[in-house]
Amino acid sequence: AQTVTQSQPEMSVQEAETVTLSCTYDTSENNYYLFWYKQPPSRQMILVIRQEAYKQQNATENRFSVNFQKAAKSFSLKISDSQLGDTAMYFCAFMPGSNDMRFGAGTRLTVKP
Amino acid sequence: SQTIHQWPATLVQPVGSPLSLECTVEGTSNPNLYWYRQAAGRGLQLLFYSVGIGQISSEVPQNLSASRPQDRQFILSSKKLLLSDSGFYLCAWSALARGYTFGSGTRLTVV
Repeated sequence: AQTVTQSQPEMSVQEAETVTLSCTYDTSENNYYLFWYKQPPSRQMILVIRQEAYKQQNATENRFSVNFQKAAKSFSLKISDSQLGDTAMYFCAFMPGSNDMRFGAGTRLTVKP
Repeated sequence: SQTIHQWPATLVQPVGSPLSLECTVEGTSNPNLYWYRQAAGRGLQLLFYSVGIGQISSEVPQNLSASRPQDRQFILSSKKLLLSDSGFYLCAWSALARGYTFGSGTRLTVV
């Protein structure tokens, strides 16, 4: 079974500091996609960043970057210069070629002023 | 551009009443469509997905059903709501490598 594990149910960070959210997944497939979604208090699911497994280069989107370790099946999200608006639930997600996305249980991030 | 609409945003329904939540997608054809439920502070539970008109797959047997009467329309229904059906319901469509795009969600409270 393809599973996604987020081992940190809750995290907090001071404004302007850096935080890393962990994610591991289990799969026997070689080609797949990985995503991080943000769910703020409005509960709208927002795509933060995505990574293709065949690309070795880590994806970056402004203050958000990932550390993709394919052999270790690890996909962590780094948020630099944290802002109050980054407070949200963050979901790691895995999508194999079958196109059915699997989500982790989420990490609740609080950015403190 | 592709957009997804989901309504209503909020719904309060008595136990035993019927339910109909609607989701429509614009700007794409033959999308894969999904219904998820999320309990407060919890993760996403896949309820149904559809790869085409009239094609529905259920992940979890429960008091709900789904239908896809048109290519870009996905409906979540119940004949008689239970208290346990309360939650936040999200519709999504798949953009393949770009991931899922989600609707804004429906907060359902069964009283």
